[in-house]
Amino acid sequence: EVQLVESGGGLVKPGGSLRLSCAASGFTFSNAWMSWVRQAPGKGLEWVGRIKSKTDGGTTDYAAPVKGRFTISRDDSKNTLYLQMNSLKTEDTAVYYCTTFLPREDAFDIWGQGTMVTVSS
Amino acid sequence: QSVLTQPPSVSEAPRQRVTISCSGSSSNIGNNAVNWYQQLPGKAPKLLIYYDDLLPSGVSDRFSGSKSGTSASLAISGLQSEDEADYYCAAWDDRLNGPVFGGGTKLTVL
Repeated sequence: EVQLVESGGGLVKPGGSLRLSCAASGFTFSNAWMSWVRQAPGKGLEWVGRIKSKTDGGTTDYAAPVKGRFTISRDDSKNTLYLQMNSLKTEDTAVYYCTTFLPREDAFDIWGQGTMVTVSS
Repeated sequence: QSVLTQPPSVSEAPRQRVTISCSGSSSNIGNNAVNWYQQLPGKAPKLLIYYDDLLPSGVSDRFSGSKSGTSASLAISGLQSEDEADYYCAAWDDRLNGPVFGGGTKLTVL
């Protein structure tokens, strides 16, 4: 079964850091482009960033609101995607979804169940 | 304020047909593929339509997508109560160099 399972969410103070993980199974993770998408409470979807497969360069791209604060990485030996979040702001409060990303279609194909991040003092 | 514009809500009776619009610009919809996502209450989003009008495996053919110029539409025929959900359009934006979403449309089946 194709599956993405996020973990690592929780409550953190403004200015703090948090690392999210996403465990992948049921598909060849090393070949997949991966992405993070977030959803603030009661709001719509917002792209956070993506990482290409290593065979396609392994480079990352980020949305403007998180650039310079968030870092996406991957460990293909563990089939795991990471999102390191630093200098967190209250507006980063959201459910964070891990997704596969289809580069030709620019589509988010497989989604995890999401993990909640709350930034509050 | 979302880059792509969708109506906040639509409603229609069971067994009827409803369309949801998505308006953008030449830097996104006008030059790139449009994808649609369905988010059932309390669930993660799911890819519903990709590349403007293609259905992923397992998606009912009651769903269809179309695009013309800088606008796109999602149509749902034979409405069922289980179609009640939030629907989001999305497309790559060449100016922002990333995917952008519409604000979402809440579908109510009366």
